[in-house]
Amino acid sequence: KAGVTQTPRYLIKTRGQQVTLSCSPISGHRSVSWYQQTPGQGLQFLFEYFSETQRNKGNFPGRFSGRQFSNSRSEMNVSTLELGDSALYLCASSSGTGDPILNEQFFGPGTRLTVL
Amino acid sequence: AQSVAQPEDQVNVAEGNPLTVKCTYSVSGNPYLFWYVQYPNRGLQFLLKYITGDNLVKGSYGFEAEFNKSQTSFHLKKPSALVSDSALYFCAVSAQGSGNTGKLIFGQGTTLQVKP
Repeated sequence: KAGVTQTPRYLIKTRGQQVTLSCSPISGHRSVSWYQQTPGQGLQFLFEYFSETQRNKGNFPGRFSGRQFSNSRSEMNVSTLELGDSALYLCASSSGTGDPILNEQFFGPGTRLTVL
Repeated sequence: AQSVAQPEDQVNVAEGNPLTVKCTYSVSGNPYLFWYVQYPNRGLQFLLKYITGDNLVKGSYGFEAEFNKSQTSFHLKKPSALVSDSALYFCAVSAQGSGNTGKLIFGQGTTLQVKP
């Protein structure tokens, strides 16, 4: 079974631009969660999608948004990029059967975003 | 509010010696506890989880963790460390409830350095 894939793996943007990151979950998984990892703040939860619906959201500004498609693939978008948005963005998928936390979350390799 | 503390930024141990990586948590209700490992430029790999049942949980690569409800701790242990265990380890918690769906709260991480 193929793992969680994230594209692109690396991105360089400038302040004020916007960016879209993509995550393809493991086949059959319906839940996708997104996390931001920075040296200062560690790993922080962004949001979780299940069957195209956002079920949970972390404490991030509205510049951070996401969506999920019918095939469970998910995208996250960051608008008006700031220097502080430079981070490793990780997505994780799980089966979503019942509470997905009860199922193992499988993480992708991440997208490293650098904002100049 | 849920939180996780990993009091040690780094743990150093000699190969062949036992290792412990500490984790304490705070959550309302019953906790779901997890350990993940991250190698450089990689995503997170699941090691083990505690949902309910036996307080001693066995996981991948010979790791185990002990859930202690009275001390709100979930320390990661291994009887004999390997150089290849050197990595960044994260403890995470989630709680029941729709507001926590798909959401893991992570500790700041502990770098494990195993010296030959």
